[in-house]
Amino acid sequence: DTGVSQDPRHKITKRGQNVTFRCDPISEHNRLYWYRQTLGQGPEFLTYFQNEAQLEKSRLLSDRFSAERPKGSFSTLEIQRTEQGDSAMYLCASEGLNTEAFFGQGTRLTVV
Amino acid sequence: GENVGLHLPTLSVQEGDNSIINCAYSNSASDYFIWYKQESGKGPQFIIDIRSNMDKRQGQRVTVLLNKTVKHLSLQIAATQPGDSAVYFCAERGRKLIFGTGTRLQVFP
Repeated sequence: DTGVSQDPRHKITKRGQNVTFRCDPISEHNRLYWYRQTLGQGPEFLTYFQNEAQLEKSRLLSDRFSAERPKGSFSTLEIQRTEQGDSAMYLCASEGLNTEAFFGQGTRLTVV
Repeated sequence: GENVGLHLPTLSVQEGDNSIINCAYSNSASDYFIWYKQESGKGPQFIIDIRSNMDKRQGQRVTVLLNKTVKHLSLQIAATQPGDSAVYFCAERGRKLIFGTGTRLQVFP
């Protein structure tokens, strides 16, 4: 257990539905990252926050994706109108001032 | 990732042998690299890192070598154990981590 929690661990949804994932980082970590990983590939960067500010978003993050970190603590990643291509593992990582990034166990999304 | 890539998708080694996993990168300005281990159903786990002012860094049973001339780094695992079976990623660290595709290490008895 790295101290980074993600919920849910698994999500099956029908195409067109909205889904929301939550990440609880290590409490003193000010940076939080979201990554997406498909089978056989390395994690791909989606977005990151420093405290509550979203500082960078990947071009992978289409208009259907939105991430928030309202109080600089937990974060949510929402996908609207899900598509089959959204099926992947969504990983969250948190990082402190002088630490490496610690990853959660991910949320596996299956869109049917 | 656009800057890092791995030579082999799968590496099979016998328990007790040494393992070498290779990684190439394309951005000569890259100055910080990290190796991650990812077991099935888990997120990536930090193994060891190296900065560009170093050629070699050692940890417990692991060594990372960096060759800036040919933009190549490797992860050496000594006396490979069944628990080392996982997918290994090299990642370039700038403002964010950029991962390569990964190498699956399989350890057989």
